[in-house]
Amino acid sequence: NAGVTQTPKFQVLKTGQSMTLQCAQDMNHNSMYWYRQDPGMGLRLIYYSASEGTTDKGEVPNGYNVSRLNKREFSLRLESAAPSQTSVYFCASSESSPPTEQYFGPGTRLTVT
Amino acid sequence: RKEVEQDPGPFNVPEGATVAFNCTYSNSASQSFFWYRQDCRKEPKLLMSVYSSGNEDGRFTAQLNRASQYISLLIRDSKLSDSATYLCVVMGGGFKTIFGAGTRLFVKA
Repeated sequence: NAGVTQTPKFQVLKTGQSMTLQCAQDMNHNSMYWYRQDPGMGLRLIYYSASEGTTDKGEVPNGYNVSRLNKREFSLRLESAAPSQTSVYFCASSESSPPTEQYFGPGTRLTVT
Repeated sequence: RKEVEQDPGPFNVPEGATVAFNCTYSNSASQSFFWYRQDCRKEPKLLMSVYSSGNEDGRFTAQLNRASQYISLLIRDSKLSDSATYLCVVMGGGFKTIFGAGTRLFVKA
């Protein structure tokens, strides 16, 4: 039981490049989330998916898109990366909706130069 | 004003000490409250939920004061392994989840 997995662990992009961050969970959870964490700030919700087939904007959605591919997988896409998107990205999942405990993946450290 | 505020610390305490963290929140309609723990360069993990009646889990006690809009975490008999960042989390209903920036704790021998 791997829990929540994320790929890649590290990534360096040049401004304007695109990439997709992958997330998968094997806990049969309904809800999944993408957060970013910046120094001195709390985790901020980018997008969430309350259930398979639905996605909604969180606090900081600009510059990102998401896809809930199936119940297990939730991807985050940066279409044209900017230095302001340099951050640590965490995917999370929760069994209940609205969520109580959220289970986090190990994170992706992204640097945009 | 931030929706959830925490003293960033760091708190430096000796082993065996008792340490308390507070977290204030601005939205009086907030419904659920949690403390998460985050080790350096790792993901957050749930430490405990915070209930109106207060709750205790071993050396950890969490309390909620709705009137003053703050939650607290008390750690008794600190261990070296308690060194981490403690994140206050407030949910305002639905999926709105607000994380505090965290309080860093260092427990030294």
